Amino acid sequence: SQTIHQWPATLVQPVGSPLSLECTVEGTSNPNLYWYRQAAGRGLQLLFYSVGIGQISSEVPQNLSASRPQDRQFILSSKKLLLSDSGFYLCAWDGRRNTIYFGEGSWLTVV
Amino acid sequence: GDSVTQMEGPVTLSEEAFLTINCTYTATGYPSLFWYVQYPGEGLQLLLKATKADDKGSNKGFEATYRKETTSFHLEKGSVQVSDSAVYFCALVPKDSNYQLIWGAGTKLIIKP
Repeated sequence: SQTIHQWPATLVQPVGSPLSLECTVEGTSNPNLYWYRQAAGRGLQLLFYSVGIGQISSEVPQNLSASRPQDRQFILSSKKLLLSDSGFYLCAWDGRRNTIYFGEGSWLTVV
Repeated sequence: GDSVTQMEGPVTLSEEAFLTINCTYTATGYPSLFWYVQYPGEGLQLLLKATKADDKGSNKGFEATYRKETTSFHLEKGSVQVSDSAVYFCALVPKDSNYQLIWGAGTKLIIKP
């Protein structure tokens, strides 16, 4: 069966520090992969999606970036975090019949 | 463009009450429709879905019917429990898309014992 994992689950980072969130999918090949952010009290915002290795589409201009070095690996990064980057980050992949499956989420607090 | 509108929360109910969370959409053609649930401190989980008009999705006592004539996909449950307290998201995937979901803002549900 397919599984998705992301880590770390929680992190507290100072302003200006770098960020790396990692996501891996198992049990499938060539999935579409997504990074979402959920700010406190708000809905979901699509940040990046990828249809293949090295193919990244950005939905929102910001100081975050994404990379897909391997077929089932998706990384969210930042060189310098801002306070406004705090939130709940979700990695996801899509399965059959247009269904999207989410990872456990990563809580980021920028202080 | 395509969009999803769901009722604002929080919605507060007593245990065993009947639940309705409204969701309406704007889209061309026949999108696929979804309800996702997010329990406190967790990621999102697919609750139910419907891929064509008049389909009824159901899971864990929740139901939603794809109504093309009213462009709606309201979530219902006959008797809610405290464990149903969560944030519920309505979403759609446009007919000709690469699976990019369009999300509603979410509705927080609070069930009191």
